[in-house]
Amino acid sequence: AQSVSQHNHHVILSEAASLELGCNYSYGGTVNLFWYVQYPGQHLQLLLKYFSGDPLVKGIKGFEAEFIKSKFSFNLRKPSVQWSDTAEYFCAVIPAFSGGYNKLIFGAGTRLAVHP
Amino acid sequence: DTAVSQTPKYLVTQMGNDKSIKCEQNLGHDTMYWYKQDSKKFLKIMFSYNNKELIINETVPNRFSPKSPDKAHLNLHINSLELGDSAVYFCASSGGQGSNQPQHFGDGTRLSIL
Repeated sequence: AQSVSQHNHHVILSEAASLELGCNYSYGGTVNLFWYVQYPGQHLQLLLKYFSGDPLVKGIKGFEAEFIKSKFSFNLRKPSVQWSDTAEYFCAVIPAFSGGYNKLIFGAGTRLAVHP
Repeated sequence: DTAVSQTPKYLVTQMGNDKSIKCEQNLGHDTMYWYKQDSKKFLKIMFSYNNKELIINETVPNRFSPKSPDKAHLNLHINSLELGDSAVYFCASSGGQGSNQPQHFGDGTRLSIL
C-alpha cells in the first residue's frame, strides 16, 4: 500500500534557526508531491507542490522542498524560521496516473514550535 | 470571499444522533472531497465526488453518506453517531481530475460526541 512517512513528529526551534522536515513515500511510479501547512485552528494551506521538472521547488513564505527520486524523498526546508511558522506540516502524495482517483495520501504530520 | 466553506464550524452532539455537515465551494471546481482528521492530527480521505458522481469511497462505515446536489456542494450526513466519530472533518475541492490539481481545504468542522 502507498504510504507517506514523516520522520519528525515534533520539532522545536528557536527563531532564525534552519529547518528541514523529512518526508519519504512508498510508491514505485510517478508521483505528485505536496506540502501543506495547518496553522493552529485553521485549515490546511498549500505550501508548495512538485509535479515535474526542477526537483527543487520554491513555495510560499520562504519554504522550499527538494525531490530526490532515488531516495523517494521530498524534504521541506527553510533557512531561517520565524515564530509565525509555528504550525503542523503535512507531506502528501498523489500517484501521477491515478485515473481521476486523486486521493491525497498524507503523512502523520510534523508539529513545529518556534520559540522567540 | 471564502473559497471552500463548511458549516457548522463546531458540532457538539450526543451518541446516537444524526447530523449533517455542509460544504460549498465557489472556485468552479469539478471535484470535491471529505477528509477526516483524528485526534492525532492524522488525515485520511473518506469520499470524493466529481461532477456529482461518487469516485472515491474509502472504507467508511455506511452510517456516513455523502450527497452532492450539484458540483459546488458536497454534504456529509452521519447517522447514529458514535464516540469514535469525534474528529475534525475537512471538505476540499480541486479543479479537475488531473492528479496535479492542488486541493483547497475548508476550515473544518470539529465534531464532538458526548
